Amino acid sequence: GNSVTQMEGPVTLSEEAFLTINCTYTATGYPSLFWYVQYPGEGLQLLLKATKADDKGSNKGFEATYRKETTSFHLEKGSVQVSDSAVYFCALSEETNAGKSTFGDGTTLTVKP
Amino acid sequence: NAGVTQTPKFRVLKTGQSMTLLCAQDMNHEYMYWYRQDPGMGLRLIHYSVGEGTTAKGEVPDGYNVSRLKKQNFLLGLESAAPSQTSVYFCASKDGLRGQPQHFGDGTRLSIL
Repeated sequence: GNSVTQMEGPVTLSEEAFLTINCTYTATGYPSLFWYVQYPGEGLQLLLKATKADDKGSNKGFEATYRKETTSFHLEKGSVQVSDSAVYFCALSEETNAGKSTFGDGTTLTVKP
Repeated sequence: NAGVTQTPKFRVLKTGQSMTLLCAQDMNHEYMYWYRQDPGMGLRLIHYSVGEGTTAKGEVPDGYNVSRLKKQNFLLGLESAAPSQTSVYFCASKDGLRGQPQHFGDGTRLSIL
């Protein structure tokens, strides 16, 4: 079956530091890959996505590249802000399976001023 | 655009009581999902639906029932609540196109005493 493995947290960084959150996946087909972000008391919201190999998703300074050869989709940001503090989830989705998604366990990021 | 709306936002039940959680989406999405989120366990799929009048079991369906009588609504029922069902419940919806993300509600925080 499908699986998503995320870098374990929590991760604590100082403002303006570089962020990497690792994500690797196992899938039987050709999934789409997503990063979602969850702020306290809210649901998950899409941060970025990539639908095929070598695609780069980007949003709000965050980036991730779909690497089929290493089955990875690592999240990066060059300079984090306090407002980036949240829980980040990596996920994959295969349309042949009712669009169901497989989620990683989430990585909690805290950015200190 | 309201997106995905969950009601209620909070609820406290006694063991053995029943209740229904309502999820409504205004995006005309075909697919809808119910998840529970517990500390350290990520998101686990309870039930899902691929269209009006259809439902299917997810990863952790025991103790829950669902109905999708109208395309825009997806109801989650607990017939006899147990303390192990204390959790945060999220509803999500998605259209059928490849590469589209799931859209989440803000969750229902349910405590069972």
